[in-house]
Amino acid sequence: EVHLVESGGGLVKPGGSLRLSCAASGFSFSYAWMSWVRQAPGKGLEWVGRIKSKTNGGTADYATPLKGRFTISRDDSKNTVYLQMNSLKTEDTAVYYCTTDNYFGSGKGFDSWGQGTLVTVSS
Amino acid sequence: QSVLTQPPSVSGAPGQRVTISCTGSSSNFGAGYDAHWYQQLPGTAPKLLIYGNRNRPSGVPDRFSGSKSGTSASLAITGLQAEDEADYYCHAYDNSLSGFVFGSGTKVTVL
Repeated sequence: EVHLVESGGGLVKPGGSLRLSCAASGFSFSYAWMSWVRQAPGKGLEWVGRIKSKTNGGTADYATPLKGRFTISRDDSKNTVYLQMNSLKTEDTAVYYCTTDNYFGSGKGFDSWGQGTLVTVSS
Repeated sequence: QSVLTQPPSVSGAPGQRVTISCTGSSSNFGAGYDAHWYQQLPGTAPKLLIYGNRNRPSGVPDRFSGSKSGTSASLAITGLQAEDEADYYCHAYDNSLSGFVFGSGTKVTVL
């Protein structure tokens, strides 16, 4: 069974940084593409970015408004994907979910989701 | 303003059929990219409900069905049940943005 567990959320001041982690189990992580999706309080879902498997280049893509501030990386030896967030703004306050990204693989979209971790950006 | 447009809310009595539309454009659905749908129950993470326009993952009741035509997709719920009260989101790749987009979300209320 696929299991995704996010961690690292918390309260951070505007301009600060935070690194989120997503520990994965129950599937072949090294072959998986992974995405991050966020949801501001009371709002809809927003795609943050994704990282391809190393066999597909290991590159990351980001939502245009977040380019330059957010960085996604992975450590296949730890079955973990990371989201480094810098220069945080109050509007980055959201629950951050990691998901398996099978949109272009099996065609099954974002088929597994973690429980999410809350990031609050406030002074 | 979401790239994929959904009605903010739909409602129906138990047993009725409701549909949720998701209107896109030539850079997502019109370009041939698949529609996926997610259900988000209150206080929980989203869950994949429909993938590849019309396919249900294992465990999803056949009361849920999806379709796609041209630049739009839709989700239908037949035999509406109280447990279907949730937010529903459509999802696609958009080649003009070179990234994924979600619909604005639709809240389903069972009267």
